[in-house]
Amino acid sequence: QVQLQESGPGLVKPSQTLSLTCTVSGGSISSGSYYWSWIRQPAGKGLEYIGRISTTGSTNYNPSLKSRLTISLDTSKNQFSLRLSSVTAADTGVYYCARGNRQGDGFSLGGFDYWGQGTLVTVSS
Amino acid sequence: SYELTQPPSVSVSPGQTARITCSGDALPKQYAYWYQQKPGQVPVVVIIKDSERPSGIPERFSGSSSGTTVTLTISGVQAEDEADYYCQSADSSGSYGLFGGGTKLTVL
Repeated sequence: QVQLQESGPGLVKPSQTLSLTCTVSGGSISSGSYYWSWIRQPAGKGLEYIGRISTTGSTNYNPSLKSRLTISLDTSKNQFSLRLSSVTAADTGVYYCARGNRQGDGFSLGGFDYWGQGTLVTVSS
Repeated sequence: SYELTQPPSVSVSPGQTARITCSGDALPKQYAYWYQQKPGQVPVVVIIKDSERPSGIPERFSGSSSGTTVTLTISGVQAEDEADYYCQSADSSGSYGLFGGGTKLTVL
């Protein structure tokens, strides 16, 4: 059974960089054709796709966050990470890591079958 | 920018059928997925690839697709089905994901 667990600071100051790590257990992050993904949810609001990284290290980001976002993979630790720079209060919310599947064409992003429990990140001075 | 559009809320009485729609221009090309999220909990996928039901999901949950609209149907709604439901798909190129705004299902 694959499990994902987010970790990182719960409080980040405005203009600083938000850094989170997702540790994957129950399977190798470098096996299979999965998209290791980040999703966030502001309090009381809906889900927002942040971005993903493939097992080969190729990334894709939400266009609205692309200029501030970096997602990376550390296969030696079975982890992937998110860095979001120049944060504001609008970046406050619960951040989830998740495993995304590929659709039948072998490329398109499918659904997310395993999720972490989520971690609350607050941007405040 | 590409969006998936859902109604903000749907209300039904117990035992009735709830239908939640999701519209998007790329849906004829990309599969849709549906997630159920109860307060304080992690989203759970209830429908994959437009109409398939993952193991462990009750048979009363079904999905369908027609053109640019996909529909989540919950037959014989139970009180425990009260939750927020989100559709999710990919843009026309399949590169990045996106979610609908979510629909709050209220069981009267």
